[in-house]
Amino acid sequence: GAVVSQHPSWVICKSGTSVKIECRSLDFQATTMFWYRQFPKQSLMLMATSNEGSKATYEQGVEKDKFLINHASLTLSTLTVTSAHPEDSSFYICSARTGRFAEAFFGQGTRLTVV
Amino acid sequence: AQSVSQHNHHVILSEAASLELGCNYSYGGTVNLFWYVQYPGQHLQLLLKYFSGDPLVKGIKGFEAEFIKSKFSFNLRKPSVQWSDTAEYFCAVPSRGGYQKVTFGTGTKLQVIP
Repeated sequence: GAVVSQHPSWVICKSGTSVKIECRSLDFQATTMFWYRQFPKQSLMLMATSNEGSKATYEQGVEKDKFLINHASLTLSTLTVTSAHPEDSSFYICSARTGRFAEAFFGQGTRLTVV
Repeated sequence: AQSVSQHNHHVILSEAASLELGCNYSYGGTVNLFWYVQYPGQHLQLLLKYFSGDPLVKGIKGFEAEFIKSKFSFNLRKPSVQWSDTAEYFCAVPSRGGYQKVTFGTGTKLQVIP
């Protein structure tokens, strides 16, 4: 199956700093990627849809200025958590689909801890 | 918008017991549905998917699910679970328009006791 790779797998940062998470599709081109957030003992919540070459589409309640998304190429999307606070600590997961009738492939996730 | 609901939040079974996890969807038109599994410490993996055709879908690792339109259900089943099936299971539905985002149910944690 298609492979989606996320980097880093885990990161610890100080409150007030910014953190960038990368999501790459290794063996296919993804015009659209998706960013999810998973709180402990909860399901995945879609944060935003990342569109190659254009602005991301954010879900209701997600601060676009806080979670900056860039989809610079057909194989790379980045999520930057700006001015991170402890409440931003979570598990962030990206995914991409290879086509309309295809399954979504997921990255391994990034555990962010803000101290 | 399409959504899915999972009734069981935490299920504990002994090895060799049969499994059925409930999933109901809300959309009344043509429906596509997924079941994903997340093993401890690992990323989400697709178990099976339904797009059309035979409503009984067989997936990996002996799992199957049946799409019952009249009941708006897509329950996941396995006749005999193993300890290695301990994981969290998510029912999911892709959106029909736009960018094909996937909406997940709340998940069901399955714990299989040896």
